[in-house]
Amino acid sequence: NAGVTQTPKFRVLKTGQSMTLLCAQDMNHEYMYWYRQDPGMGLRLIHYSVGEGTTAKGEVPDGYNVSRLKKQNFLLGLESAAPSQTSVYFCASSYRQSPLYFGPGTRLLVL
Amino acid sequence: GDSVTQMEGPVTLSEEAFLTINCTYTATGYPSLFWYVQYPGEGLQLLLKATKADDKGSNKGFEATYRKETTSFHLEKGSVQVSDSAVYFCALMDLTGYSTLTFGKGTMLLVSP
Repeated sequence: NAGVTQTPKFRVLKTGQSMTLLCAQDMNHEYMYWYRQDPGMGLRLIHYSVGEGTTAKGEVPDGYNVSRLKKQNFLLGLESAAPSQTSVYFCASSYRQSPLYFGPGTRLLVL
Repeated sequence: GDSVTQMEGPVTLSEEAFLTINCTYTATGYPSLFWYVQYPGEGLQLLLKATKADDKGSNKGFEATYRKETTSFHLEKGSVQVSDSAVYFCALMDLTGYSTLTFGKGTMLLVSP
């Protein structure tokens, strides 16, 4: 039981490049989330999904897109990366009204 | 909207000292409350939770009581260890919504031998 896994662990991008972060969970959770963590800001919700094929915006969705084509996967896309998107990205999953389980994070540096 | 306020860190303690990290919240409904811990270079791990007023969550010697009258959920431990050095996040989940977590900004705890 791997829990929540994230790929890649670390990435460096140049401004304007695109990339996709992959999150996978093997706990059969309905709900999945993407958060970003920045110094002094705590964690802020980017997008979330309450089931396969559904997504919704969180607190800071601008510049990101997501897809949930399979129940176990939740993808976060950056179409045109900006330095302001330098952050640590965490994926999480849960059952409804239950604690979230977090992945180990992806460190992204945009130059 | 919902919000969580934590005391700013870092909190610096000697081993075996008593720990309190304050957390207060603002919510329109009756949220569930959580403490998460983040060790250096790792993701967040659930430390404890409480789902209704007067509930006490506990784990690994840490405790927190859901106080509705003061809208607080302070984290306490009677005797900290060097291995407790980490960042602690207080969070709330609005049960009327889609089970998203609203986090405080985190409090770093540094324990010296």
